[in-house]
Amino acid sequence: AQSVAQPEDQVNVAEGNPLTVKCTYSVSGNPYLFWYVQYPNRGLQFLLKYITGDNLVKGSYGFEAEFNKSQTSFHLKKPSALVSDSALYFCAVRPGNTPLVFGKGTRLSVIA
Amino acid sequence: GAVVSQHPSRVICKSGTSVKIECRSLDFQATTMFWYRQFPKQSLMLMATSNEGSKATYEQGVEKDKFLINHASLTLSTLTVTSAHPEDSSFYICSAERGAEAFFGQGTRLTVV
Repeated sequence: AQSVAQPEDQVNVAEGNPLTVKCTYSVSGNPYLFWYVQYPNRGLQFLLKYITGDNLVKGSYGFEAEFNKSQTSFHLKKPSALVSDSALYFCAVRPGNTPLVFGKGTRLSVIA
Repeated sequence: GAVVSQHPSRVICKSGTSVKIECRSLDFQATTMFWYRQFPKQSLMLMATSNEGSKATYEQGVEKDKFLINHASLTLSTLTVTSAHPEDSSFYICSAERGAEAFFGQGTRLTVV
């Protein structure tokens, strides 16, 4: 079965420090991988995606993610966190021509 | 980027009434749209896949007679929660896809009192 794991419910980081939000996946075939961010009472906003090509993907708001096929991971990173980055982050995978499968989400809290 | 508009953003209704939520793709045509439900502090649960011009495909455990989906045009899908009860209170989110990418509506907070 296709699945996405976000092992951390909550990540706390000080403003200005680097942040990492972890994601691993389990799918058959070559996956399309996505990161979305959700602010309170809002829909999801697209951050970045990996389809093919370079393993390091750069996205919106200074975020990036690295596709690691051997570790089946797609961790989200940012070199310097901002308080405004505090939100709920979802990793998602599309295994072929099927609906997105979401991780449970990780709440990021950036402390000033 | 593509825009998906969802309306209303917030609705309060009495138990036993029906509520309609609209999802529109504003700048592209979407033959397929998706409806999700999100409980507090939880991930998105896919409820159904809305197909333009045909019946929606519901996920296991989702009552199709309670959550009516209509996808009458390439830019509009509607979700109607019929005979709503307090346990239907939730955050509902739609998405429309263009290629491999999904675009999400702003979400609808439904409160049934």
